[in-house]
Amino acid sequence: EVQLVQSGAEVKQPGESLKISCKGSGYSFTTYWIGWVRQMPGKGLEWMGIIYPGDSDTRYSPSFQGLVTISADKSLSTAYLQWSSLKASDTAMYYCARQLPQGDSSGWYDYWGQGTLVTVSS
Amino acid sequence: EIVLTQSPGTLSLSPGERATLSCRASQSVSSSSLAWYQQRPGQAPRLLIYGASSRATGIPERFSGSGSGTDFTLTISRLEPEDFAVYYCQLYGYSPGTFGQGTKLEIK
Repeated sequence: EVQLVQSGAEVKQPGESLKISCKGSGYSFTTYWIGWVRQMPGKGLEWMGIIYPGDSDTRYSPSFQGLVTISADKSLSTAYLQWSSLKASDTAMYYCARQLPQGDSSGWYDYWGQGTLVTVSS
Repeated sequence: EIVLTQSPGTLSLSPGERATLSCRASQSVSSSSLAWYQQRPGQAPRLLIYGASSRATGIPERFSGSGSGTDFTLTISRLEPEDFAVYYCQLYGYSPGTFGQGTKLEIK
């Protein structure tokens, strides 16, 4: 069974750093791109970027380039999303998702993680 | 950057009725580059349609997708109570990836 399991909710202060995770199982983790999607409270879905765990090739939306870092550890079948200095405006639910077609750098998302709620508040 | 605009913002219908949701691209795109998702409150999105018209695994036949060029449609032939949710279209194959702003389907 394909599963993406994300790390738990986080409460952070502005200026702090954070790394959230997304662990894949039940499929060949290294041969599918993983995407990250932001959903701010009461708002829609925003495409942040993708990573290919096989070689860590990464693509970012211009809206998120330089603001976050996407990485992966293929030995742990885990993808990560990290911030070096959080802002209150980073408060949102963050989803990871497996991208189809297999190996294609552009596609749709068939399996999603349960989401990680990040709250940034002083 | 291509922008997806979904309409209406909110659609109020009754169970058993037919729902028609629209997704319009700001320029012509490949018909194989559009997906639709359903998001129920408190849940992650669920893939319904990819390639504009192909149903994802396990999706009921009452969901169908169509369209080409700039205009795409998600149709739910006969609404069930569990279909009341928010629906998003997604464009892929064009950098960057993008979602529409969503259509909320609510019970009338």
